[in-house]
Amino acid sequence: EADIYQTPRYLVIGTGKKITLECSQTMGHDKMYWYQQDPGMELHLIHYSYGVNSTEKGDLSSESTVSRIRTEHFPLTLESARPSHTSQYLCASSDPASHYNEQFFGPGTRLTVL
Amino acid sequence: AQSVTQLDSQVPVFEEAPVELRCNYSSSVSVYLFWYVQYPNQGLQLLLKYLSGSTLVKGINGFEAEFNKSQTSFHLRKPSVHISDTAEYFCAVSGAINSGYALNFGKGTSLLVTP
Repeated sequence: EADIYQTPRYLVIGTGKKITLECSQTMGHDKMYWYQQDPGMELHLIHYSYGVNSTEKGDLSSESTVSRIRTEHFPLTLESARPSHTSQYLCASSDPASHYNEQFFGPGTRLTVL
Repeated sequence: AQSVTQLDSQVPVFEEAPVELRCNYSSSVSVYLFWYVQYPNQGLQLLLKYLSGSTLVKGINGFEAEFNKSQTSFHLRKPSVHISDTAEYFCAVSGAINSGYALNFGKGTSLLVTP
């Protein structure tokens, strides 16, 4: 069973606040991803990482930043939240030994910016 | 570039009826295809995957999908649905190296099972 965790599950904050969405996995996976999901829409890749000290931007432009200091931890930060950031954020990981890239997902963080 | 198109945004069906959720893909290279399910307020769970070999793939919860290369399709089927199958279903294809092989998802199909 996949062990990938996201906190908080729900977050309501005011405009201008700095927030960090946490993502951790205990599977030792090197590759990790952040997706943004709006209702009725596909998931859009916003960040990914091949491993420690590796971070890349995804297909969807995002004002968020990520870091990868430890294999198991891949936090996403918004320096100044805006209502346009309201969305669901999903974290995922995959085993690089799996060349077909099956991904395991966390439960998601639903962010609302007022 | 690899992409998928889910042809139905919503599929209403009665309990115990069969269902098919349609997915077409576009790829210039060998494909790895996936179906994920998302229950309300949860993350995505893998239902099944096609990597190679047999074109009929069986997954969890009684779902199966058939890979059809000539029609570039990977439709998901279940012979008899339950109320608990109500969820969002996403078809995905493994992407390119320049995105870390991240999955490219369709827009999802909302399956609503009613008594």
